[in-house]
Amino acid sequence: DQQVKQNSPSLSVQEGRISILNCDYTNSMFDYFLWYKKYPAEGPTFLISISSIKDKNEDGRFTVFLNKSAKHLSLHIVPSQPGDSAVYFCAASAYSGGSNYKLTFGKGTLLTVNP
Amino acid sequence: KAGVTQTPRYLIKTRGQQVTLSCSPISGHRSVSWYQQTPGQGLQFLFEYFSETQRNKGNFPGRFSGRQFSNSRSEMNVSTLELGDSALYLCASSPFGTANTGELFFGEGSRLTVL
Repeated sequence: DQQVKQNSPSLSVQEGRISILNCDYTNSMFDYFLWYKKYPAEGPTFLISISSIKDKNEDGRFTVFLNKSAKHLSLHIVPSQPGDSAVYFCAASAYSGGSNYKLTFGKGTLLTVNP
Repeated sequence: KAGVTQTPRYLIKTRGQQVTLSCSPISGHRSVSWYQQTPGQGLQFLFEYFSETQRNKGNFPGRFSGRQFSNSRSEMNVSTLELGDSALYLCASSPFGTANTGELFFGEGSRLTVL
């Protein structure tokens, strides 16, 4: 049972336009959400995060929106640049006992930004 | 500050063999997590170690095991390799464990091919 779902395996966008990557989750115990970016032959790198008590977090060209009632979050990249072409992973964190939290990743969305 | 270092970067094994992968976390980081990345399944959590103790474990068979040393370096071992174990194995470190901020620092991964 996949608790974090990225239903679009790929997305293609023109340079300068907005990229919107979506993520749905099923576990209502998730209380922190993150996006990671991964280039080929490299490990994922942290991009942006949002706490469940917020509905928006912005960092430069990247904005993450959280809709708790719909169990949905999205990552907006404006304007998109060719260097943004990568696989984007949505991740969610839930308390797993003691002082432990467990991170669950989605399958990823390949974003291609065309010049 | 040096990043997360994983060795070897690439390796080829045959079915039935075993393999040991190594991970050196960022200096000062006490938590090490391991993930398996495959094209169809995304990033799947294997286990997390903190101060030499396994704190979290994913849903992988007992053939997958790990350990952490007193200097926080970690190893994971896969015994009786199967074709389906072919994947990119990623190690990630963080200073406090997978706290609910969830920010992990990933290595470049070890690409395992099982023939």
